[in-house]
Amino acid sequence: SQQGEEDPQALSIQEGENATMNCSYKTSINNLQWYRQNSGRGLVHLILIRSNEREKHSGRLRVTLDTSKKSSSLLITASRAADTASYFCATVHSGNTPLVFGKGTRLSVIA
Amino acid sequence: DSGVTQTPKHLITATGQRVTLRCSPRSGDLSVYWYQQSLDQGLQFLIQYYNGEERAKGNILERFSAQQFPDLHSELNLSSLELGDSALYFCASNAPNTDTQYFGPGTRLTVL
Repeated sequence: SQQGEEDPQALSIQEGENATMNCSYKTSINNLQWYRQNSGRGLVHLILIRSNEREKHSGRLRVTLDTSKKSSSLLITASRAADTASYFCATVHSGNTPLVFGKGTRLSVIA
Repeated sequence: DSGVTQTPKHLITATGQRVTLRCSPRSGDLSVYWYQQSLDQGLQFLIQYYNGEERAKGNILERFSAQQFPDLHSELNLSSLELGDSALYFCASNAPNTDTQYFGPGTRLTVL
């Protein structure tokens, strides 16, 4: 069963704008990860944030984690058409255990 | 390219049949995870193997089984197939003591 929900389910923005996606989860976690999936293809790992971290950056990506609210957000700055994809958050309860995925946000970046 | 390979890419079969999906993890990774992605259920964890042993079980039906071989490749066997089994099946692997999983390109199963 899904750990949580992403919000919004779908997002459409213009190239150059920022995109923010939110993820909520239900139980305590060891870490939270964001993955990207291009249409019908494999998932690509973007970033991992541990439960004792509050913010992490990787290139144009910024992830925040609020364990008190059991939520995370993914910010993609200066979006490009190539960022068009589905984005999933996934939680890990303890080390080396399966990912529990949310339902994903479908991002469309219009050139 | 994640380094995880899956075969076949596509599989079309009939209800009641049995199929085998194959996965080779990244070199050096001991864990293999199987996930199912369908429109109504989203991404669901099925089963995990670690160095040949079953480590965790998720929402895997009794009609489904898996194993991991000594060379660490894994096979997912789906039997008595139903229309609802149509989905994308992914495997993923990770290195010991790391949590980042690397996904294969998936096998798209269509049951007619």
